[in-house]
Amino acid sequence: GAGVSQSPSNKVTEKGKDVELRCDPISGHTALYWYRQSLGQGLEFLIYFQGNSAPDKSGLPSDRFSAERTGGSVSTLTIQRTQQEDSAVYLCASSQGRENEKLFFGSGTQLSVL
Amino acid sequence: AQRVTQPEKLLSVFKGAPVELKCNYSYSGSPELFWYVQYSRQRLQLLLRHISRESIKGFTADLNKGETSFHLKKPFAQEEDSAMYYCALRGTGGFKTIFGAGTRLFVKA
Repeated sequence: GAGVSQSPSNKVTEKGKDVELRCDPISGHTALYWYRQSLGQGLEFLIYFQGNSAPDKSGLPSDRFSAERTGGSVSTLTIQRTQQEDSAVYLCASSQGRENEKLFFGSGTQLSVL
Repeated sequence: AQRVTQPEKLLSVFKGAPVELKCNYSYSGSPELFWYVQYSRQRLQLLLRHISRESIKGFTADLNKGETSFHLKKPFAQEEDSAMYYCALRGTGGFKTIFGAGTRLFVKA
């Protein structure tokens, strides 16, 4: 079966532009997570969804970042007015939302802001 | 507040030597703890979880609630163990999972 799918795999944009990153979780997975991976910062939690609602948005770095999930499936992470410090790998993960269950990760979107 | 600390960014050992990757956490309740691994050009994947008390690829990790630690150990490192290792914590009452900064392990021949 298909794993977690993220698109695009690479995105180069100019400072000030908006970008949308997409995540297709494993079918039936109710929990969906976004992380940012950068050198020296490890895996930074951004937001997670349980179904279509986001119980915890505390990791979003600023109001330029937003995320939504529709139909309990696909999620989009939007970064408005991108800055150079937004350059990183954005990882999505999903799980069935049960205790002690592992996360399944996508291959990530490498975002480069010039 | 939840926090995971991996004090070593880089750990380099010789093949056959023991290895220990440190992880300390901060959480007021009873957390679920995990180790994830990312090999070169592969996706991040689960290595092991504390609840299972299992040994995967020769690695073990014991939850020490008194020291709030979950160190990852292997008695004899192999070259194929070279990878990035992340310790992760999930609190109770939800599914938010946070990760440490990661430790890059190099196993030299």
